[in-house]
Amino acid sequence: SYVLAQPPSVSVAPGKTARITCEGNNIGSRSVHWYQQRPGQAPALVISYDSDRPSGIPERFSGSNSGSTATLTIGRVEVGDEADYYCQVWDSSSQHALFGGGTRLAVL
Amino acid sequence: EVQLVESGGGLVHPGGSLRLSCAASGFTFSHSAMNWVRQAPGKGLEWVSCISDSGSTTFYADSVKGRFTISRDNAKNSLFLQMDSLRVEDTGVYYCARGEGGGILPEDYWGQGTLVTVSS
Repeated sequence: SYVLAQPPSVSVAPGKTARITCEGNNIGSRSVHWYQQRPGQAPALVISYDSDRPSGIPERFSGSNSGSTATLTIGRVEVGDEADYYCQVWDSSSQHALFGGGTRLAVL
Repeated sequence: EVQLVESGGGLVHPGGSLRLSCAASGFTFSHSAMNWVRQAPGKGLEWVSCISDSGSTTFYADSVKGRFTISRDNAKNSLFLQMDSLRVEDTGVYYCARGEGGGILPEDYWGQGTLVTVSS
């Protein structure tokens, strides 16, 4: 079955750029969606279809997807960006949606 | 404003059943596919099931297939998850989420979740 691998944690200083990766076999051929989950809150969509930003999501959030790695990039990181981030794809062979294991972003 | 409000969670013994509901408002429910996603305590997100806008097509995660049944009532703007033969590992917060633009993914709106605890 298809597997998405994310680093458990990423640390970044305020004002710097954070990059969160999501690795999967030929993931570049799939559409990847990214969700942010702040502590105690429901998840929220931050990037859809690899690089589209939903309404209300700051331009600091961007996404890319090629080869075996999809990347969520957060520029000029703020303390309020501290959250868990999950990548997601649809696996047409199993007819399942899949999440990566999640990455905790710490703003130090 | 899009709103999704889950209900029906609670404490149940292993082997028992629960029926979760999700009340939708602020959009044309009958035009949207819907999903259930769960999160065990301290763990990541796990997709559980989805249903097409008409209710004619459903998909399930392997971990719940044969035990859970997703359904909807478009006349009442409601989504359901019937959970039977519950196991301790089914414990977690269950979210309903809307599929964007009539598709299953991405999930563009989420409810606040309802807690299911399976314990003896």
